[in-house]
Amino acid sequence: GAVVSQHPSWVICKSGTSVKIECRSLDFQATTMFWYRQFPKQSLMLMATSNEGSKATYEQGVEKDKFLINHASLTLSTLTVTSAHPEDSSFYICSASFSGRVTGELFFGEGSRLTVL
Amino acid sequence: DAKTTQPTSMDCAEGRAANLPCNHSTISGNEYVYWYRQIHSQGPQYIIHGLKNNETNEMASLIITEDRKSSTLILPHATLRDTAVYYCIVNAGDGANSKLTFGKGITLSVRP
Repeated sequence: GAVVSQHPSWVICKSGTSVKIECRSLDFQATTMFWYRQFPKQSLMLMATSNEGSKATYEQGVEKDKFLINHASLTLSTLTVTSAHPEDSSFYICSASFSGRVTGELFFGEGSRLTVL
Repeated sequence: DAKTTQPTSMDCAEGRAANLPCNHSTISGNEYVYWYRQIHSQGPQYIIHGLKNNETNEMASLIITEDRKSSTLILPHATLRDTAVYYCIVNAGDGANSKLTFGKGITLSVRP
């Protein structure tokens, strides 16, 4: 199957700093990428959908100014957590889709664990 | 609103078949049934999907009832590495922007 890679796999930062997480599709062109967040012992919650070259669409309750998403190329999307606080500590997971996809099969990255001190 | 309901957890013995049920009584005619799993601290992994007919691949089999209101994922010979949370999702799958909404899933524990 298609490969999606995230970096970093884990990061620790101080409160108030910004953290960038990268999501790359390694062997296909991802026209759409989805960003999820997962708190311990909970399911994945969709944060936003990003299409290459356009602004991301955020789910209700997700602050777009806090979670900046950029999808500047067909193989790379980034999520920047701005002014991170301890409550932003979570497991962030991206998934990618491509134009022409006709079913719901998504390819997920390995996830990035953020810990804000 | 949850589109699918799954038991919270189940276990099975290594080497035996694991049958994971899912109810989706409000499924629409154009919606597929998808199964993903998530091993601890990893991203979800696609397993299988189907519309009406039963499906089989190298990982699992998917049995969908004739009225499509429920389905069962079958892992024919469970191993310890199959211990994970398994998510049953219904989705129309209409194109690249089609979002997947994850429920709570079922935690499968495979015991030695």
